[in-house]
Amino acid sequence: AQSVTQLDSQVPVFEEAPVELRCNYSSSVSVYLFWYVQYPNQGLQLLLKYLSGSTLVKGINGFEAEFNKSQTSFHLRKPSVHISDTAEYFCAVSERNNDMRFGAGTRLTVKP
Amino acid sequence: ETGVTQTPRHLVMGMTNKKSLKCEQHLGHNAMYWYKQSAKKPLELMFVYSLEERVENNSVPSRFSPECPNSSHLFLHLHTLQPEDSALYLCASSQDRVGGVKTQYFGPGTRLLVL
Repeated sequence: AQSVTQLDSQVPVFEEAPVELRCNYSSSVSVYLFWYVQYPNQGLQLLLKYLSGSTLVKGINGFEAEFNKSQTSFHLRKPSVHISDTAEYFCAVSERNNDMRFGAGTRLTVKP
Repeated sequence: ETGVTQTPRHLVMGMTNKKSLKCEQHLGHNAMYWYKQSAKKPLELMFVYSLEERVENNSVPSRFSPECPNSSHLFLHLHTLQPEDSALYLCASSQDRVGGVKTQYFGPGTRLLVL
């Protein structure tokens, strides 16, 4: 069965700095990969997903992620963050015939 | 996000109460999910319904009882809960449960406090 690890529980960063949130997964078959964002007191919102094709995936709010099969990673990046990007970010993995598994989350705090 | 709605948004209940959480999806999806989100814990998948049939129950205590009367509605009936059941309960839906169309869309959640 698939599993996912988010390597950093908290990432503090200054406004306009670049950020990378790390995600590694474990699976023996092909997978689908997702990043979600959760703002305070809200549900999870889909940022981007990788199903197949190009390994560089662009999402909403200027975020992008790159699927690296050899390193079993799907790290999320943004070249310049804003205060409004402060939120919890969840990586998720799913095999074709299994339900999604979520990571423990990374809290991104953007400081002025 | 507005494609999946949840009511109520906040709920406070005593351990002897009976209450229900409601989820409705307006996306024409065939699968619906209940998750529990507790502080400092990963999302816990509680129940999965596909085409109105329950397909997974991850050892959830019987004090939680799901109901899916049709593909657009999902309920979570609560009775004799414990304080440790206090959490954010999230509902999600996806077009299908398997294959490449399983992207899940979440509602805003119900914040539950059990006293």
